[in-house]
Formats: sequence, structure tokens, C-alpha cells
Amino acid sequence: KAGVTQTPRYLIKTRGQQVTLSCSPISGHRSVSWYQQTPGQGLQFLFEYFSETQRNKGNFPGRFSGRQFSNSRSEMNVSTLELGDSALYLCASSITGTGGGYTFGSGTRLTVV
Amino acid sequence: GIQVEQSPPDLILQEGANSTLRCNFSDSVNNLQWFHQNPWGQLINLFYIPSGTKQNGRLSATTVATERYSLLYISSSQTTDSGVYFCAVNYGGSQGNLIFGKGTKLSVKP
Repeated sequence: KAGVTQTPRYLIKTRGQQVTLSCSPISGHRSVSWYQQTPGQGLQFLFEYFSETQRNKGNFPGRFSGRQFSNSRSEMNVSTLELGDSALYLCASSITGTGGGYTFGSGTRLTVV
Repeated sequence: GIQVEQSPPDLILQEGANSTLRCNFSDSVNNLQWFHQNPWGQLINLFYIPSGTKQNGRLSATTVATERYSLLYISSSQTTDSGVYFCAVNYGGSQGNLIFGKGTKLSVKP
């Protein structure tokens, strides 16, 4: 079966711009969660969506937002980019979002210049 | 919130050696997974192991939930085992929120 697909793989943006990242989960998985990975902070949870509803949110500013579509695909958006937003953004899908069985995509590496 | 600590932070092995990676967590969990992050950044799921022991080839894992720790064993290591190993937990009703340790960076030398 197809895995979790994230697009694009790499992005270079300028400070102040906005960016949209996409995540297509494994077929049948209804939960999509997003993580930011930086050398300093490690892997940090951004938010989780299930059946088009945000159920959980990490400690990130409002510039970070997301949504989920009826086919479970999810997008995250970062507005007014800052240099510190440079990171690897990973999404994970699971059937329910609780318990186990999280599968991660290959990530989107965002560089803000 | 729950704390996840991994040890050692760095590990250098010769090819063929065995190793044990440890993950301690500070509270009860309902999910524990081990991941291997490859050089391209993808997190590869190794084990879903909230309790008990599992084996997959040269890798095995044991979680003792009552004592709040998990161990990942790598036997006969190969250079392709190099990378960062993460332990991640999910607890209570926390949907989608995996709490990650800081990882163990493994380097296997030929």
C-alpha cells in the first residue's frame, strides 16, 4: 500500500512570505498529525486532525495553521515566515490518532532566507 | 507533561557489534514506538510496543510499562543501521501527540 506522501520535499522561502505544505495519509487513515523538527528543539507536535476537525494543538504561534479535507489529506500553512521556521516538517497518519501505529512521511525541508 | 529520556545520546560501533538503546518515560503511556530516522529525514517505524517484547530480524524491543522504560536491541550491527533512533510515546487521550525523546545517534563503522 502507498505510504504517507508529503509535498514538496524541499522549499526555500523568504522572510515574511507564507507557505503551504501538503500531506496525503495512508488510505483508510483518518488522523493526520504534524511535527516540526529542528536541531535545537527536536521533534515537536504542531497539531492533529481527524475527520476534518482539529482535535489537538501544540504550543506554536497562530502563524501555524492547518486543515484537513474530506479525503483525509491535510495541509499546513505558515504565514509571515521567520528565519526560525526553517525546519523539517513531518506529518504522520494513523487510523484513529490514539494508541499506536503512526506512519510518517518523508518530510518537507523548509528553508527561510 | 510527560518526559521521555533516551540514552546514550551518541553511540559508535564497529560493524558486527551489538547495542542496547534505552528509553525512560515519566508517566504511564498507552503507546510507545521506536523509529529510525534515515539520512533523508524520514522516520521509519520499527516497533509499536506499549508493553512486552517484539522481534524483527536483527532488531528487538522490550517495554516494561510498570517500570516505565523500553529497550531497543540491535544485534550484528551493519553500516546501514546508522542514523538516529527515536523513542516516542502517546498517553491518555492525547490525540496525535507523540512525545519524542531527543534520540540516540548511532554510527556503525565498517
